Amino acid sequence: EAQVTQNPRYLITVTGKKLTVTCSQNMNHEYMSWYRQDPGLGLRQIYYSMNVEVTDKGDVPEGYKVSRKEKRNFPLILESPSPNQTSLYFCASSLTGQGYEQYFGPGTRLTVT
Amino acid sequence: SQKIEQNSEALNIQEGKTATLTCNYTNYSPAYLQWYRQDPGRGPVFLLLIRENEKEKRKERLKVTFDTTLKQSLFHITASQPADSATYLCALRPLDTGRRALTFGSGTRLQVQP
Repeated sequence: EAQVTQNPRYLITVTGKKLTVTCSQNMNHEYMSWYRQDPGLGLRQIYYSMNVEVTDKGDVPEGYKVSRKEKRNFPLILESPSPNQTSLYFCASSLTGQGYEQYFGPGTRLTVT
Repeated sequence: SQKIEQNSEALNIQEGKTATLTCNYTNYSPAYLQWYRQDPGRGPVFLLLIRENEKEKRKERLKVTFDTTLKQSLFHITASQPADSATYLCALRPLDTGRRALTFGSGTRLQVQP
């Protein structure tokens, strides 16, 4: 089954404790992206990747890191999480970055206390 | 500044009627516009894509129009059903920036009453 998977689905952590949210897709997509969704603000793009070893900032990259060492994986790293990073996070992928539909993962709900 | 606006108030309609949702944008020259459906606590699901040179797109009971003069897209669901109740998001990819980021509106919640 074609899908985007994320882990963990739920995470409660404390300020400053480094964490990684994994994202994997099995569709051989070139383009992958991370979003955060907050009430009233909609989906905002954090980082995206056009292909392996090619990443770029989205609209809200501060406090986040990403890497794309393999085509299928695109982990999101929070080196020193803060409470304002409490949010619902979605990973997405598409065939390329040139107008194709995006497939979203199930989401990771992160709470930073 | 660039902005995408969707009606933040929920749209309530009766089953069988046509639902019409609006997406307005400012200071964008979109290459294309997409519509997604999102159910509570779940990831958005792609519905339709319309390009800047297309006026209308249809898929089963769904229809999208795109007016680049008015800077507006309309999303219609005909013969609506309670199962259509969800939040609907529009998303733009700008034509006039070097970045390929897709920008989403905040979404409009649709409630179809049986």
